[in-house]
Amino acid sequence: GAGVSQSPRYKVAKRGQDVALRCDPISGHVSLFWYQQALGQGPEFLTYFQNEAQLDKSGLPSDRFFAERPEGSVSTLKIQRTQQEDSAVYLCASSPRASVTYEQYFGPGTRLTVT
Amino acid sequence: DQQVKQNSPSLSVQEGRISILNCDYTNSMFDYFLWYKKYPAEGPTFLISISSIKDKNEDGRFTVFLNKSAKHLSLHIVPSQPGDSAVYFCAASARDDKIIFGKGTRLHILP
Repeated sequence: GAGVSQSPRYKVAKRGQDVALRCDPISGHVSLFWYQQALGQGPEFLTYFQNEAQLDKSGLPSDRFFAERPEGSVSTLKIQRTQQEDSAVYLCASSPRASVTYEQYFGPGTRLTVT
Repeated sequence: DQQVKQNSPSLSVQEGRISILNCDYTNSMFDYFLWYKKYPAEGPTFLISISSIKDKNEDGRFTVFLNKSAKHLSLHIVPSQPGDSAVYFCAASARDDKIIFGKGTRLHILP
């Protein structure tokens, strides 16, 4: 079956632009996660949804970052007024259980480059 | 302050031999540990996990060992195969809180 898909795969933004990154989780998966992976680092937690409820947004680095999952399926991560330090791969993951530790299925990521 | 540390950025192992990837952690509240594997241009894929109530979990060629007193875990792959060449991330969670990942170890399986 289809896995987690993310779009776009690559995004180049000029500093100050707003960007929106989309995640299509595996159908029926309850949990959805966003991670930020800087070069040479492991994925770093940003936020977690259980269905449409955002249960944890403690990892969002600033109020320029906003995520939503209005109907409990597709999710969008929005970054306003992008800065160079936002350059990273943004990974989305979904999981069939309402748990943050159960096996997560990752998408291929969106590589964001801010120039 | 890294709570999950993978001190070896890379490791090379001969095909057919055992690969041992190490991971140390600092947070004594961690009670669940996972390993993920990542190929280039793909997202990480789940490999194996272990709860802190166990000291070993085995799944085919993959075994994870947990030493709570040393705050250390290791992933053993035996025998190593060419398709095992990838980046391996160690990760941990405390009481069902968000997962914390290490920086990863790149494993090269040599022919």
